[in-house]
Order: sequence, then structure tokens, then C-alpha cells
Amino acid sequence: AQSVTQLGSHVSVSEGALVLLRCNYSSSVPPYLFWYVQYPNQGLQLLLKYTSAATLVKGINGFEAEFKKSETSFHLTKPSAHMSDAAEYFCAVSETGGSYIPTFGRGTSLIVHP
Amino acid sequence: KAGVTQTPRYLIKTRGQQVTLSCSPISGHRSVSWYQQTPGQGLQFLFEYFSETQRNKGNFPGRFSGRQFSNSRSEMNVSTLELGDSALYLCASSSGQGGYTEAFFGQGTRLTVV
Repeated sequence: AQSVTQLGSHVSVSEGALVLLRCNYSSSVPPYLFWYVQYPNQGLQLLLKYTSAATLVKGINGFEAEFKKSETSFHLTKPSAHMSDAAEYFCAVSETGGSYIPTFGRGTSLIVHP
Repeated sequence: KAGVTQTPRYLIKTRGQQVTLSCSPISGHRSVSWYQQTPGQGLQFLFEYFSETQRNKGNFPGRFSGRQFSNSRSEMNVSTLELGDSALYLCASSSGQGGYTEAFFGQGTRLTVV
């Protein structure tokens, strides 16, 4: 069975500061991992995904995430926050050879202060 | 390439009524999944259709049903609406060929039950 835990339902940063959104997963087999972003009144949009190639994955809008098997983590980072980054972020996991349906975390709301 | 289209965007229904939501996936995508998103429960998987067959099902009562047509368009039906069914319903399409494939989300249908 697969599961995802996102630590912190809200994260607040100042514009220009480092963004760190945490995601830990549980999976009985090698996982595929995703980060999605949701802006108000919109659907989810893929930021990046890990599919067992490079452990450091670069995505859109300057975001990146590092897969750490020993820590079962896939934290999302961005060196410098922008006001436009304010949104809800979801981490998701799906399993190789599984049902193909990703399991989503509860989401983390990123607040960016000027 | 046109994205995932959900109609209508907003709905207000009365308790006890039924409702049908529609989703048109990205051209060529054979998998359509439905999710319910609420502030309290986050993103919960309802069901997935692949080539007109329900391939996966979440843990929702039988009042929630769906179908997929030969052109991959999908509908979701909720009968005997309850106040707790108020939510954002999201549709996602993908190639459905593996857990590594990205899901493309529509903007959602905001259902309010009064």
C-alpha cells in the first residue's frame, strides 16, 4: 500500500526566501513521485516527477525535488520565492506495477509575504 | 492541444436531487479519473475509467457512479445528494499506460448542495 505525508498544512515565507515543502512517502515497491500545484479555482498542474532516473529532479517555475530513498522523502524546494508561487502544493505517489492511481497528500498551502 | 474540459464549472443543487458532471479528456487519452476535493478530506479518489471500463474504484458509496463513452468522454453522477457532497470535483486524464504517466487535470466543477 502507498501513502503520502506532507508535513505542515501551511508554510509561510518572505519573497526571495528559500521555499521548502516536505513530503514523505510509504511504498512497498519502488515508487513514482510527483509534485502538483493548484492555484485558486484551478485544477492541479504537474510541477515535476521522479521516475527512477536522476534523484534530483528539476521542474517548472524554478522548482526542484530530491528523491532520498533512505529517508523515504521527496521534498520540494525553490531557492527564491516569488509572490506568484502562492498556491496549494500536492505530493503524490504511485507504485510500479500497481493500479496506476496516484495517492495524494493532504496538500501544503504556500503563503508568500512581500 | 486542448486541455481537460469539465462542465459545468459551478452547480447549486438541493438535497435529495441528483447531478451529472461531464469531463472531456485530452485527445488520445484513454484514462479518466475523478476526484473529490474538500477542505477537510483533501483530494480523494472516486474512480477511474479506461477504455469504457471502470478499472479502479475508491471508497465512496454507491450513490457515486460514472461511465465513459467510446470517445473517452466521461460523466459522473451523484444521486440523492447530501450536504456533505458539496465539494470541488476534479477530472484528470492520462494515457493510463503506467504509474509514471502524468495526470492532466481539468479546472473542476464546484458543487454546492443546499
